[in-house]
Amino acid sequence: GAGVSQSPSNKVTEKGKDVELRCDPISGHTALYWYRQSLGQGLEFLIYFQGNSAPDKSGLPSDRFSAERTGGSVSTLTIQRTQQEDSAVYLCASSLAQGASGYTFGSGTRLTVV
Amino acid sequence: RKEVEQDPGPFNVPEGATVAFNCTYSNSASQSFFWYRQDCRKEPKLLMSVYSSGNEDGRFTAQLNRASQYISLLIRDSKLSDSATYLCVVDSNDYKLSFGAGTTVTVRA
Repeated sequence: GAGVSQSPSNKVTEKGKDVELRCDPISGHTALYWYRQSLGQGLEFLIYFQGNSAPDKSGLPSDRFSAERTGGSVSTLTIQRTQQEDSAVYLCASSLAQGASGYTFGSGTRLTVV
Repeated sequence: RKEVEQDPGPFNVPEGATVAFNCTYSNSASQSFFWYRQDCRKEPKLLMSVYSSGNEDGRFTAQLNRASQYISLLIRDSKLSDSATYLCVVDSNDYKLSFGAGTTVTVRA
């Protein structure tokens, strides 16, 4: 597609439920990133996928968070047993290669856990 | 200590004014530096890269001071459309970008 597409744009869920967030990167972009932005905070790195290499999961805040990228394209971020502190905007970005100059962000998924 | 620190502002300036703000970073090995712009409830978008010698892009000027580990952004002849949050971004060459929390600029008529 022309840009990075994320869905849903908004998600309200009850505490304890599982949620899945989807990211469809720009076609041909081999690198895909997930970040989280809480109110008044900077973006927090979550996970990085590069081609067929093993992902860097070092930013995932707990084992309730997981992500996968199928076929080197679409990625899904899953949060199990959601907690109120998981409420944030989850941003996905893709790039042709490492380096911020090539980053394109999606419009994000605003997650609210009630 | 946060990797990237910014004055949150807000900087409230009249149209036509000049506004400047800094960002400090803690990792002396950082290689690349950027300013992103984020409008309210929108995704960040790359505004400009910051080069060692300093660089301009129209009304925007970015400077890098490696010795003191800070970068700056200056906006001349402010427009209403410049109102946004400006994110300082540092790449330590390990592909995990570090983002500042942002500096809010509000330009008033």
